[in-house]
Amino acid sequence: EAGVVQSPRYKIIEKKQPVAFWCNPISGHNTLYWYLQNLGQGPELLIRYENEEAVDDSQLPKDRFSAERLKGVDSTLKIQPAELGDSAVYLCASSLGGRARNEQFFGPGTRLTVL
Amino acid sequence: GDSVTQMEGPVTLSEEAFLTINCTYTATGYPSLFWYVQYPGEGLQLLLKATKADDKGSNKGFEATYRKETTSFHLEKGSVQVSDSAVYFCALSDRRAAGNKLTFGGGTRVLVKP
Repeated sequence: EAGVVQSPRYKIIEKKQPVAFWCNPISGHNTLYWYLQNLGQGPELLIRYENEEAVDDSQLPKDRFSAERLKGVDSTLKIQPAELGDSAVYLCASSLGGRARNEQFFGPGTRLTVL
Repeated sequence: GDSVTQMEGPVTLSEEAFLTINCTYTATGYPSLFWYVQYPGEGLQLLLKATKADDKGSNKGFEATYRKETTSFHLEKGSVQVSDSAVYFCALSDRRAAGNKLTFGGGTRVLVKP
């Protein structure tokens, strides 16, 4: 079974440029998460989807960040415009959903460097 | 709010040494506790978990016991190998909350030398 797929793995951009990250969750997983992981820190939740609905986006900086999960499968996280402080690893995770099936499976992440 | 504190690294050990990584938590609800491991260049993988007080999670020679009285979930392994070199994250999830949001500690880097 394929795991969570993310692309690109690495991205280098100049500040004020837009950037987008893509995530393909494990097949059949209804819940999808985007996390931000700053260097030397643990991941922090940005947004959670249940199918195509964003049910928790309280930690997403909505002035520059946006996300979508069309058709309840793949998801895209966008930053526009990027700032120097956005340099971090962006992790995608998925789970089957429901409290009894709550194990989250993580992708390898996208490492963003903003110059 | 919920929080997780774990010992800072890096922790450098020789092969076959005993490993302990301390983790304590603060939670208002009834959390499940987890240890995730991140090998170089890979995503986080669930190592073990415990869902209630006094439960012991174990996997790949690693163990951790859910201690409600000390709000701790320390990770231990009796004899580490070079392949255990990774970053280890302690995390909690409030089972009463929707979405199983994970709150992570800062991570502890472990380096095992041959």
